[in-house]
Amino acid sequence: DQQVKQNSPSLSVQEGRISILNCDYTNSMFDYFLWYKKYPAEGPTFLISISSIKDKNEDGRFTVFLNKSAKHLSLHIVPSQPGDSAVYFCAVQGAQKLVFGQGTRLTINP
Amino acid sequence: EADIYQTPRYLVIGTGKKITLECSQTMGHDKMYWYQQDPGMELHLIHYSYGVNSTEKGDLSSESTVSRIRTEHFPLTLESARPSHTSQYLCASSEAGTNDEQFFGPGTRLTVL
Repeated sequence: DQQVKQNSPSLSVQEGRISILNCDYTNSMFDYFLWYKKYPAEGPTFLISISSIKDKNEDGRFTVFLNKSAKHLSLHIVPSQPGDSAVYFCAVQGAQKLVFGQGTRLTINP
Repeated sequence: EADIYQTPRYLVIGTGKKITLECSQTMGHDKMYWYQQDPGMELHLIHYSYGVNSTEKGDLSSESTVSRIRTEHFPLTLESARPSHTSQYLCASSEAGTNDEQFFGPGTRLTVL
C-alpha cells in the first residue's frame, strides 16, 4: 500500500520553461513534506520543504505548493536549467520516519 | 554541506560472502538511517537508530543487521550475501527534532553475483 505516489516516472521540459512535478499522498495526518533531488551515483539532497500550516513555500527558483484537501503537493521550478536534470523524490514525514515516493526523472532540454 | 560518508561506493561480491557497508557522519546527529533503493523505485527504510545502542527495523524487511556503538558510525552487515541483495544502499542522518531534513551519503551500489 503506497502512501506516497509520484505518478509520472519521467518529465521532459525545455530550458527556461517551468517544470512541474507532482506528488499525491494518502494519509491526511501527514503534516510535513519535503522534496529531494538525486543525481546518478549520488545520494539525495534536500531541496525544499513545507509544513501543513502553509500552502506555499518559495526558495529562489523552487516553489512547493500544498493542497491539503486534495492530498497533493507539487514542485515548480522556474526557469528550468540544464543542471536541474535529476530524479526528484517527494517525501512525507510519518511517525519519526520519512516515506518517499518513487521519484520523477526530470530532463531539461537545451 | 553535509558530511556523511559511505564506503565502499561500489562493491561486487560473490554469493555467501559476509559484507559490511560503512557509514559515518561528522555532524553529531543522533538519528541515522539505512535505505535500500532499486532503480526507478522509492527509497525503502530498512534500519534506523535514534542514538547510541538504539537500533530499529524499518518498513522493509531486510536480512541485514546494524549496530550503533558510536554516534558517528552506523555500519550495516550482511552475513551471507545473495543476488537478491543487489541494490543501492543509502545512509542518512538527521538531528533529533521531529521535522529535520535528512542528509544522505553518496550510497553504496552492491552487486551480488
